[in-house]
Amino acid sequence: AQSVAQPEDQVNVAEGNPLTVKCTYSVSGNPYLFWYVQYPNRGLQFLLKYITGDNLVKGSYGFEAEFNKSQTSFHLKKPSALVSDSALYFCAVRDSDRGSTLGRLYFGRGTQLTVWP
Amino acid sequence: DAMVIQNPRYQVTQFGKPVTLSCSQTLNHNVMYWYQQKSSQAPKLLFHYYDKDFNNEADTPDNFQSRRPNTSFCFLDIRSPGLGDAAMYLCATSRDNVGSYEQYFGPGTRLTVT
Repeated sequence: AQSVAQPEDQVNVAEGNPLTVKCTYSVSGNPYLFWYVQYPNRGLQFLLKYITGDNLVKGSYGFEAEFNKSQTSFHLKKPSALVSDSALYFCAVRDSDRGSTLGRLYFGRGTQLTVWP
Repeated sequence: DAMVIQNPRYQVTQFGKPVTLSCSQTLNHNVMYWYQQKSSQAPKLLFHYYDKDFNNEADTPDNFQSRRPNTSFCFLDIRSPGLGDAAMYLCATSRDNVGSYEQYFGPGTRLTVT
């Protein structure tokens, strides 16, 4: 069964410091991995994805994520955090086997990122 | 700009009074999804349309129904809202082609049940 774990409910970091939001996954086939961000009272906004190719993927607003197959992880990173990065972050996975899932995403429970000035 | 639009953004209904939420998209995506999200939890998939094919999640209550009259529009009908149905309802779309599996979300409709 497909699943995603975000082990930290909250991550706090000072502005200008690097940030990491952790995500591990479990799928039966090859994974398609995604990160989304949600600001208060808004929908989810797509940040980046890993489908195939380079393990380091770059996305919007200076975010990047590294796919690690052996550790089944897809951690979100940013070299220098901004106060405006404070939001709720969701990791999601989809099995590359489309057969029965028909594109269904499995979301982690979310990590609240707070960047203080 | 191409986008996913949800109306209304805020909806108040009475206990047991039917309510319809709407979603439209200008992305020409073939898949549309409805999610329920409660207080900073992960979105919970209710159902989705793959083209015209309706796919219901096993644990979605019968109280929730959906219609997709054409590619651009999709509706969520709650036949008899209960207090527990108060939540943010998110519509999303995807193209579901090779290499393009990400979902694009609308801003959501926050439903209050009084």
